[in-house]
Amino acid sequence: AQSVTQPDIHITVSEGASLELRCNYSYGATPYLFWYVQSPGQGLQLLLKYFSGDTLVQGIKGFEAEFKRSQSSFNLRKPSVHWSDAAEYFCAVGASISGSARQLTFGSGTQLTVLP
Amino acid sequence: DTAVSQTPKYLVTQMGNDKSIKCEQNLGHDTMYWYKQDSKKFLKIMFSYNNKELIINETVPNRFSPKSPDKAHLNLHINSLELGDSAVYFCASSQVAGNTIYFGEGSWLTVV
Repeated sequence: AQSVTQPDIHITVSEGASLELRCNYSYGATPYLFWYVQSPGQGLQLLLKYFSGDTLVQGIKGFEAEFKRSQSSFNLRKPSVHWSDAAEYFCAVGASISGSARQLTFGSGTQLTVLP
Repeated sequence: DTAVSQTPKYLVTQMGNDKSIKCEQNLGHDTMYWYKQDSKKFLKIMFSYNNKELIINETVPNRFSPKSPDKAHLNLHINSLELGDSAVYFCASSQVAGNTIYFGEGSWLTVV
């Protein structure tokens, strides 16, 4: 069974600073990897995804993530954080179940606080 | 237009009541899901339907019954609500050829 670990429960950065959120996964095959963001009281928004190909993927809002198979990692980065980036970030690994059904296994999330 | 929409967004109800959360997607996707997010923000799949057929049924009390009248709708009915059912319930959908799951805005259920 697949699993996802987000080792940082809470991260605080200053506005304008760079950001890296860690994600490690466990999955027997080539994983489908995702990062979602959840703002307070809001739903889950897809930031970016990796299926295959280039291991550095670009997402929305200036985020990027790098897939490293040797480290089983898919860390999320942003060069300069904005106050509006304060939210909960979830890494997820997707597995095919049957047909088009996909099962996402989520990490426990990382709460990002941005200081002015 | 909202791609995956859920109603109601907020629901406060008493223990023992029966309630339903409705979900509709206008993306033309074949598969729909219900996920539960608990108070610690942990997200876990509950059910998945593909073309109205139940595909995934995780270990969920049988008080929870999903119903899919057509592939664009997946409703969640909960009988005899308990305090522990308080959570955020997310509906989602995905496409046959794709691997991305799109989520609704969530339904905040509080059982008092």
